[in-house]
Amino acid sequence: SFELTQPPSVSVSPGQTASITCSGDKLGDKYACWYQQKPGQSPVLVIYEDTKRPSGIPERFSGSNSGNIATLTISETQAMDEADYYCQAWDSTTSCVVFGGGTKLTVL
Amino acid sequence: QAQLQQWGAGLLKPSETLSLTCAVYGGSFSGYYWSWIRQPPGKGLEWIGEINHSGSTNYNPSLKSRVTISVDTSKNQFSLKLSSVTAADTAVYYCARGQFGSISSYYYYYMDVWGKGTTVTVSS
Repeated sequence: SFELTQPPSVSVSPGQTASITCSGDKLGDKYACWYQQKPGQSPVLVIYEDTKRPSGIPERFSGSNSGNIATLTISETQAMDEADYYCQAWDSTTSCVVFGGGTKLTVL
Repeated sequence: QAQLQQWGAGLLKPSETLSLTCAVYGGSFSGYYWSWIRQPPGKGLEWIGEINHSGSTNYNPSLKSRVTISVDTSKNQFSLKLSSVTAADTAVYYCARGQFGSISSYYYYYMDVWGKGTTVTVSS
């Protein structure tokens, strides 16, 4: 079955760039999206169709997807960006939505 | 802007059936896929399944034998039933709006509107 793998945690200093990866077999042949979830809140879509930002999402959030890896990049990371981040794609062989295990971003 | 409001029983005993409903306000009901997702305490997101306005469904294979998702287009609502619950089904359950399509033979699916979540606890 199709699986997405994320690092459990990533740390970054304020003002620096954070990169969170999501790996899956031929993920580049699918579109990936990313969600941000803060404690006690519902997930929020921050990137869709690999690189697009929904209205209201800051420009410092960007995405890429090639080969087997999709990457969420947060430039000039702020304390408010501290959250769990989940990648997600759609598996055409099973017609199922697949989530990565999530990455806890800590802004030190 | 669409909003999702969800409700249902929050405390169940083992072997009972979980039942949740999600109402869609302020947007079109057709043209989207309507999903249920859950999150056990301290864990990640798990997709349960989806339905579209015409009643076509897809389910997570790991839950398929116990899940039924239905739709009531007259009320712009969709519902989740999960049978024979155990403590492992304790989680926050979310409903969400899914956008699905294809570009250059590649499929996209993302969920852009989410409900606030319902905490469901299974305990004897």
